[in-house]
Amino acid sequence: DTEVTQTPKHLVMGMTNKKSLKCEQHMGHRAMYWYKQKAKKPPELMFVYSYEKLSINESVPSRFSPECPNSSLLNLHLHALQPEDSALYLCASSKTVLAGGFKQYFGPGTRLTVT
Amino acid sequence: AQTVTQSQPEMSVQEAETVTLSCTYDTSESDYYLFWYKQPPSRQMILVIRQEAYKQQNATENRFSVNFQKAAKSFSLKISDSQLGDAAMYFCAYRRRSNFGNEKLTFGTGTRLTIIP
Repeated sequence: DTEVTQTPKHLVMGMTNKKSLKCEQHMGHRAMYWYKQKAKKPPELMFVYSYEKLSINESVPSRFSPECPNSSLLNLHLHALQPEDSALYLCASSKTVLAGGFKQYFGPGTRLTVT
Repeated sequence: AQTVTQSQPEMSVQEAETVTLSCTYDTSESDYYLFWYKQPPSRQMILVIRQEAYKQQNATENRFSVNFQKAAKSFSLKISDSQLGDAAMYFCAYRRRSNFGNEKLTFGTGTRLTIIP
């Protein structure tokens, strides 16, 4: 199983809503990543988890709150978002964050629209 | 800081022909990885090919090959026998090799490849 799954595929939320994005992998990977991708732009790294601990936070606003409850699951909790937060949110995983045999597997993404 | 430049926002190629996508990067490091990722309209990013900087031999994966010129900091992707399924946005990416696990992928701005039947 070389798949990263993400739910939901699409999400529309108001600026006062609280919602969560979910990412799951069963490849035994111990590194998981959240990226934000605006239209026609490359992905931008938001967070990295290594062995279920937050390893990198790319100065993301606190209205985005990541959580890694176990080695297979990664959540992104959303609260009080702004319309400019509308984007494709990609999850990825890799064996570890260390170099060597480095390959990230990406999920299909969640298309988020903030109204 | 490392930067990755893809100077071709869009490219097109006839089916079954060969196309080359360009990528240049800037780094002061000597040990790093370079990647080409493909993102079709379905949105899922897929790793196409990877090159380790210390390896002189160019990486190949079936119809995909790279021309890695370390001194020139150039990393182009050649797609042979183009197929309709190759239509996608292609991102070149760089990652420094590190034992500390705090490195991230730096992506170029992408090249949209269209395959003409």
